[in-house]
Amino acid sequence: QKEVEQNSGPLSVPEGAIASLNCTYSDRGSQSFFWYRQYSGKSPELIMSIYSNGDKEDGRFTAQLNKASQYVSLLIRDSQPSDSATYLCAVKSYNQGGKLIFGQGTELSVKP
Amino acid sequence: DGGITQSPKYLFRKEGQNVTLSCEQNLNHDAMYWYRQDPGQGLRLIYYSQIVNDFQKGDIAEGYSVSREKKESFPLTVTSAQKNPTAFYLCASSGWREAFFGQGTRLTVV
Repeated sequence: QKEVEQNSGPLSVPEGAIASLNCTYSDRGSQSFFWYRQYSGKSPELIMSIYSNGDKEDGRFTAQLNKASQYVSLLIRDSQPSDSATYLCAVKSYNQGGKLIFGQGTELSVKP
Repeated sequence: DGGITQSPKYLFRKEGQNVTLSCEQNLNHDAMYWYRQDPGQGLRLIYYSQIVNDFQKGDIAEGYSVSREKKESFPLTVTSAQKNPTAFYLCASSGWREAFFGQGTRLTVV
């Protein structure tokens, strides 16, 4: 089992729709969770971090964390073509000395 | 971005040569990381460090070495033992609730 798994892509949504990206993790000692956006050829850009159960909203983005289910998600409302990128989920595991572990990424395509 | 500087942006290595990639941060973060990314692939962890003078191997440490003599700096050396070093190398630093990347170094073997 991979330590951090994301739903396989590519994910395609029409402009204006909600895009839903999912991530599960195996280490129950994980305490910090991050979502990144990466455009082709560029470094990952931090979108949001979350560390408490529940929802966290920032503009068009909402992160959701459920530690009991070991699940973290990212919702993108009113998706725009400029949101087309690869989205990376990362988990910081204090049980493993602060190791920052990434999922394989989900490619999102927003069609005009 | 986020106060992390990687240099150089592009680097060319000859066969059998060691090269060192620089990573400096001014965010006062304790943790620093090195990742490798191959085309169309995810991030693979090479080394990470939580405190000065201490670091741990990641998933693909063979052929790489690091040092952490200062909190701000975490250089990565790609040694001649790394047989396929051509890749995009990313450095990150992290506090409790944030983790940022540098702009990356693109290494090519010539």
